[in-house]
Amino acid sequence: GAVVSQHPSRVICKSGTSVKIECRSLDFQATTMFWYRQFPKQSLMLMATSNEGSKATYEQGVEKDKFLINHASLTLSTLTVTSAHPEDSSFYICSASRASSPLHFGNGTRLTVT
Amino acid sequence: DQQVKQNSPSLSVQEGRISILNCDYTNSMFDYFLWYKKYPAEGPTFLISISSIKDKNEDGRFTVFLNKSAKHLSLHIVPSQPGDSAVYFCAAKEETSGSRLTFGEGTQLTVNP
Repeated sequence: GAVVSQHPSRVICKSGTSVKIECRSLDFQATTMFWYRQFPKQSLMLMATSNEGSKATYEQGVEKDKFLINHASLTLSTLTVTSAHPEDSSFYICSASRASSPLHFGNGTRLTVT
Repeated sequence: DQQVKQNSPSLSVQEGRISILNCDYTNSMFDYFLWYKKYPAEGPTFLISISSIKDKNEDGRFTVFLNKSAKHLSLHIVPSQPGDSAVYFCAAKEETSGSRLTFGEGTQLTVNP
């Protein structure tokens, strides 16, 4: 069964509003979670590494003030897209690492900014 | 700079035949490689992996081959089944980077009945 739950699966918002996406690890604790973004027919691009209890580590070119990451507990990380614009429309996927096993991914969130 | 490349965006095979998906990488520090399968509107699911100390790993119908000198790996699926139709991503990481993965662009596999 699923080991990483992501919510919502789909969201449509107006330009200028903020959207929060949740990523939960089910029945295991994840000190580290990862947020990826995928454009159509392109690779999954790592946006940031979310660390429980500390600041996220952002990849080059990713605006930390626009993509706010909070990892307040060992089972929950949130990504907030602030002041969303149409170019932020994408498929966002989180993942979590379980000890001695490969990364598990959530089912992703399709964000559409109108 | 695309460090992991899957040069074939799509592949079509007949049911029962072999599917071969290819992946090349440029970063010589990568020492662990994974293949993920992804259906539309879902997250990737792990298929099979290989460490750089091996050149082959097999799991049922799936076999991954690694050629370190060529910086090339491939995923073989035999026999292919219609349910295997999905996008396949190659991913790589450095042992020291924890779980931080670098993905290829993906290859859409279609298995025709």
